[in-house]
Amino acid sequence: RKEVEQDPGPFNVPEGATVAFNCTYSNSASQSFFWYRQDCRKEPKLLMSVYSSGNEDGRFTAQLNRASQYISLLIRDSKLSDSATYLCVNNAGNMLTFGGGTRLMVKP
Amino acid sequence: DAGVIQSPRHEVTEMGQEVTLRCKPISGHNSLFWYRQTMMRGLELLIYFNNNVPIDDSGMPEDRFSAKMPNASFSTLKIQPSEPRDSAVYFCASSYPGSATNEKLFFGSGTQLSVL
Repeated sequence: RKEVEQDPGPFNVPEGATVAFNCTYSNSASQSFFWYRQDCRKEPKLLMSVYSSGNEDGRFTAQLNRASQYISLLIRDSKLSDSATYLCVNNAGNMLTFGGGTRLMVKP
Repeated sequence: DAGVIQSPRHEVTEMGQEVTLRCKPISGHNSLFWYRQTMMRGLELLIYFNNNVPIDDSGMPEDRFSAKMPNASFSTLKIQPSEPRDSAVYFCASSYPGSATNEKLFFGSGTQLSVL
């Protein structure tokens, strides 16, 4: 089993929709979590950090469920510019482990 | 700040040739990471340095891969000899002091390596 698992998608949603991705992790010692965004043929960039139960930043909400060992990312009012791959990342023992990413396609 | 700078952006080489990838981290950052990304395996950590010292190289695939960081502003990843299965995008990333758990990584634009 991979340490960080994500549904690869793609998730195809219309503009304005709400979409949510889940990510499961296997290392119960994971200390913190992150969502990175990667555009096609570009480098990953930090989107959000998730330290305790969750975090909200504008249209984006990240939640952590330690009991079930998953993290979610909710995007409200999707924009065309949200189309990208979203990478779930966990930090355990001072090391970051990346999931395979979930691809989101927002259509007009 | 120019960000993390990698060169070359693209490298096409023939099997058996030596390949050297270069990285200049953001000034003041004290941790440097080399990642490899493929469709099949996603982003994999190859090696990371802290204050120019290699801390964890358990992700380096085999002896054909080596990495150095001779000073705080420069690192290389070398593959010798290269093989077609090494074809991937290689990212360099750095993080700053005080980021005790190396949380926020700043990635370079990557080097697209194709080994024919």
